Amino acid sequence: EAGVAQSPRYKIIEKRQSVAFWCNPISGHATLYWYQQILGQGPKLLIQFQNNGVVDDSQLPKDRFSAERLKGVDSTLKIQPAKLEDSAVYLCASTSPTVATNEKLFFGSGTQLSVL
Amino acid sequence: AQTVTQSQPEMSVQEAETVTLSCTYDTSESNYYLFWYKQPPSRQMILVIRQEAYKQQNATENRFSVNFQKAAKSFSLKISDSQLGDTAMYFCAFMKHNVNAGNMLTFGGGTRLMVKP
Repeated sequence: EAGVAQSPRYKIIEKRQSVAFWCNPISGHATLYWYQQILGQGPKLLIQFQNNGVVDDSQLPKDRFSAERLKGVDSTLKIQPAKLEDSAVYLCASTSPTVATNEKLFFGSGTQLSVL
Repeated sequence: AQTVTQSQPEMSVQEAETVTLSCTYDTSESNYYLFWYKQPPSRQMILVIRQEAYKQQNATENRFSVNFQKAAKSFSLKISDSQLGDTAMYFCAFMKHNVNAGNMLTFGGGTRLMVKP
């Protein structure tokens, strides 16, 4: 089966610019996550979707970050305006919330963002 | 809230030898999962092994095994017969058990493992 697709793979922008990342989860996976991984640290959850509804966005900096999953499939994560401390890898993951499999997350290869 | 701590930022091991990576966690939950993920330079998180908290038996996957001490909230990963391809970042992670929806993973800070020829 196809994995979680993310694009772009790399992005370099200047501070105060805007940027958007795209994620296409595995077909049929209702739950989608965005994680931020700063260099040398473990990933931190930014937002979790169940279909097109938000389950948890408590750690999303809502003054500059936004995310949507309008049709319950693809998702975009946007940063506007970007700050230097937003430099990180942004990982998308998905899972199917069934009893048998809901603990197994499938990750994409991430987008590496550099803010100059 | 859950926390996961990995106290070894870097480890190295000679090829074919055994290495153990440490992880401790803090939670008030009684039913949960614990994981070890591998992250090579490609950045994709690869599931190495998982453990259900209600199971007393330690999980094993080929050369990878865990030592799960629930009372001590400790979850170490042992890699036997280390191979060059095991060189990567390793993350310990925690997930609450919830049958109704997907759940979030809480990650530790990671351990960089280098396997030397």
